[in-house]
Amino acid sequence: EADIYQTPRYLVIGTGKKITLECSQTMGHDKMYWYQQDPGMELHLIHYSYGVNSTEKGDLSSESTVSRIRTEHFPLTLESARPSHTSQYLCASSGGQTFYTFGSGTRLTVV
Amino acid sequence: LAKTTQPISMDSYEGQEVNITCSHNNIATNDYITWYQQFPSQGPRFIIQGYKTKVTNEVASLFIPADRKSSTLSLPRVSLSDTAVYYCLVGGGGGYNKLIFGAGTRLAVHP
Repeated sequence: EADIYQTPRYLVIGTGKKITLECSQTMGHDKMYWYQQDPGMELHLIHYSYGVNSTEKGDLSSESTVSRIRTEHFPLTLESARPSHTSQYLCASSGGQTFYTFGSGTRLTVV
Repeated sequence: LAKTTQPISMDSYEGQEVNITCSHNNIATNDYITWYQQFPSQGPRFIIQGYKTKVTNEVASLFIPADRKSSTLSLPRVSLSDTAVYYCLVGGGGGYNKLIFGAGTRLAVHP
């Protein structure tokens, strides 16, 4: 039923590799968000976008970067992965309504 | 953004009604109150949203007193599958709704 998709679902990668986590939504939402969540812990906002070519950093400092070239697509990139980047990354979107729709997340493990 | 306070954890048994109360003393006039449910390794899922009085859907009820400084999520006749973390958030007014998640309430439903 979810109209927001994240790939890959799980990713294990070596230190120093460049990775891109994909997030796409088919609802035409203008606002999109990335959260980071460690197991059993709170969600922390790391990036958000209010529309095409608009991106802002969230409340938790992150070494990742994002882009918003198309409304439906909001990828997150890590230029050089480190073990400290191991976490779950959750993408969300919202449109005219005042609540978010979340994807299933990408669980990233950097070894 | 208004801060919320909710119990860290709760325990219940199958078939019981569960009420989770959230405090939001600094809620703004145009803020909505929204509850999400999160299972391990998944993204949060929207449960219910309200502005004032009572809202009911097929999953839960949300009770909001006149002063809107608190709200209560009511889950009727819980089952084991309701074991999850429940988040209370306020915001969404004004269209630019950057939501900040707290620790949530860990609900454990026992047989």
